[in-house]
Amino acid sequence: GAGVSQSPRYKVAKRGQDVALRCDPISGHVSLFWYQQALGQGPEFLTYFQNEAQLDKSGLPSDRFFAERPEGSVSTLKIQRTQQEDSAVYLCASSSVPQGTEETQYFGPGTRLLVL
Amino acid sequence: RKEVEQDPGPFNVPEGATVAFNCTYSNSASQSFFWYRQDCRKEPKLLMSVYSSGNEDGRFTAQLNRASQYISLLIRDSKLSDSATYLCVVNPDKNDMRFGAGTRLTVKP
Repeated sequence: GAGVSQSPRYKVAKRGQDVALRCDPISGHVSLFWYQQALGQGPEFLTYFQNEAQLDKSGLPSDRFFAERPEGSVSTLKIQRTQQEDSAVYLCASSSVPQGTEETQYFGPGTRLLVL
Repeated sequence: RKEVEQDPGPFNVPEGATVAFNCTYSNSASQSFFWYRQDCRKEPKLLMSVYSSGNEDGRFTAQLNRASQYISLLIRDSKLSDSATYLCVVNPDKNDMRFGAGTRLTVKP
């Protein structure tokens, strides 16, 4: 069956450019997460949605980062005025129940962002 | 101090060897614990949950020590296909998962 998909898979941006990263979670999954994974590091939590509600955005590193999930399915992570330190893999994950329970998160393949 | 700490390795072991990874976490209120596996340039995938009583899945055994706040993963009879990065994951009492930086394992013929 269809898993979590993300697009684009690769993005090269010039410093200062805005980028938008898309995540299509598994159909019907309530919870959606965004993570940032730098080279050689584990994924770092950015933000969490339960349906269309953004319940936790404590991991967003600055106000240049913005995420939305307006209809409770597809989500977009937007980074404004990209900086070189934003270069990373951005992973999206979804799960079928609200978080706080023992439920597997299914990850998408990620978007590799390189800011020059 | 990071919330979840792992020995980054790399661990280089021959086929058939037994290898163990440890992970420590700082938030004593953490509720759920997992091991994920991540292959090079791929997304993380759940390997197994970790239960208080310890649990086993084939060649893999996970244990949790709440008093000492550490989690372990034991791989017996390692295979070439076990080569990957193993991520320790802790779910504190909020809506996120905290990942360790991962331990890299290479199993050699």
